Amino acid sequence: EVQLVESGGGLVQPGGSLRLSCAASGFTLSSYAMSWVRQAPGKGLEWVSAISSSGGGTYYADSVKGRFTISRDTSKNTLYLQVNSLRAEDTAVYYCAKGLSRTLYYFDYWGQGTLVTVSS
Amino acid sequence: EIVLTQSPVTLSLSPGERATLSCRASQSASSYLAWYQQKPGQAPRLLIYDASNRATGIPARFSGSGSGTDFTLTISSLEPEDFAVYYCQQRSNWPLTFGQGTKVEIK
Repeated sequence: EVQLVESGGGLVQPGGSLRLSCAASGFTLSSYAMSWVRQAPGKGLEWVSAISSSGGGTYYADSVKGRFTISRDTSKNTLYLQVNSLRAEDTAVYYCAKGLSRTLYYFDYWGQGTLVTVSS
Repeated sequence: EIVLTQSPVTLSLSPGERATLSCRASQSASSYLAWYQQKPGQAPRLLIYDASNRATGIPARFSGSGSGTDFTLTISSLEPEDFAVYYCQQRSNWPLTFGQGTKVEIK
């Protein structure tokens, strides 16, 4: 059974940092594209970042480019999102999501989300 | 960036009725479009990918059509569990983008 479990969210001051983790089970990260998607309270979905199945391709929304870094540890089958220089507008539930295949950036499994709150 | 505009914002219908949701792209997305359903407090669920392919386990009452800039999600006969928010998403160009959502509510 495919499962994605996020952790690492919390309350952080503006300018602060966090590392979000997504532990995957039931499949191998290196066989699928993966992504982070966020949702601000009461708002719609916003794609944040993606990593290719090979790990060699990483992609970012303009709103987070230069501040967020996606990575993975295949030995732990875990996806990460390092979030730096946080702003109030980064407050959201962050979901990790599994791609439909190596190359299809549609998302068929999602975690339960981890809440990041940026506030002083 | 491809901007996806969904309409209507809210659709008020009764169980058993047909729902037609629209997603318009600011430039061609070819057939690289998906639809998701999201219920309160839950993660999104993939319904349709590549414009017209149903994802695993999705009932046949959900269908997708379109290409280029105009896409449609149709729910042939609304079941009580279909009242939710629906999002489209394109993978044609980076960055990936989602539409702003259409809420299907009970009339």
